[in-house]
Amino acid sequence: QKEVEQNSGPLSVPEGAIASLNCTYSDRGSQSFFWYRQYSGKSPELIMFIYSNGDKEDGRFTAQLNKASQYVSLLIRDSQPSDSATYLCAVSKGAQKLVFGQGTRLTINP
Amino acid sequence: KAGVTQTPRYLIKTRGQQVTLSCSPISGHRSVSWYQQTPGQGLQFLFEYFSETQRNKGNFPGRFSGRQFSNSRSEMNVSTLELGDSALYLCASSPSRGSNTGELFFGEGSRLTVL
Repeated sequence: QKEVEQNSGPLSVPEGAIASLNCTYSDRGSQSFFWYRQYSGKSPELIMFIYSNGDKEDGRFTAQLNKASQYVSLLIRDSQPSDSATYLCAVSKGAQKLVFGQGTRLTINP
Repeated sequence: KAGVTQTPRYLIKTRGQQVTLSCSPISGHRSVSWYQQTPGQGLQFLFEYFSETQRNKGNFPGRFSGRQFSNSRSEMNVSTLELGDSALYLCASSPSRGSNTGELFFGEGSRLTVL
């Protein structure tokens, strides 16, 4: 079992809809969780981080964390074609060491 | 503010050779991490340096090594290259305001092809 699991997709969502990306992790002691976005041919960029159970909102993005279920999700509201990218879920293992999932490829269809 | 700069961007080596990759972090960032990205294994942590000291290490063989200089610039070296070392090597710097921020700023990467 991989330490961080994501559905690799591709996930196809119509423009204007809500895109829902999911991630599970195996280490129950994990404290910090991150979502990175990677456009094709580009390097990853941080879009959200969450440490506490519940929801965290930033613009069109909402990160959700459920530590009891070991589950992290990212919701993108009013999806735009520019949101088409691979979304990487990551868990901190201390300092700046992150364990990444394989990523979910998201396509927003105009 | 300039971003993370990695050199070279592309390189081709043959099996058995060694390679050195360089990374200049964002000004003021003292933490530098290295990651390997491949289609099969995804993004994997190699090591992290802070104030010239290796603070964390991933699960890679000893052929992979790194160092950090007093100006926070970092290099990583891979010796005795194998075909499986072909990958995108990403350097990331962090302001390291806390011990576990995970706020990484990635460079564009060095794409290594081993023939």
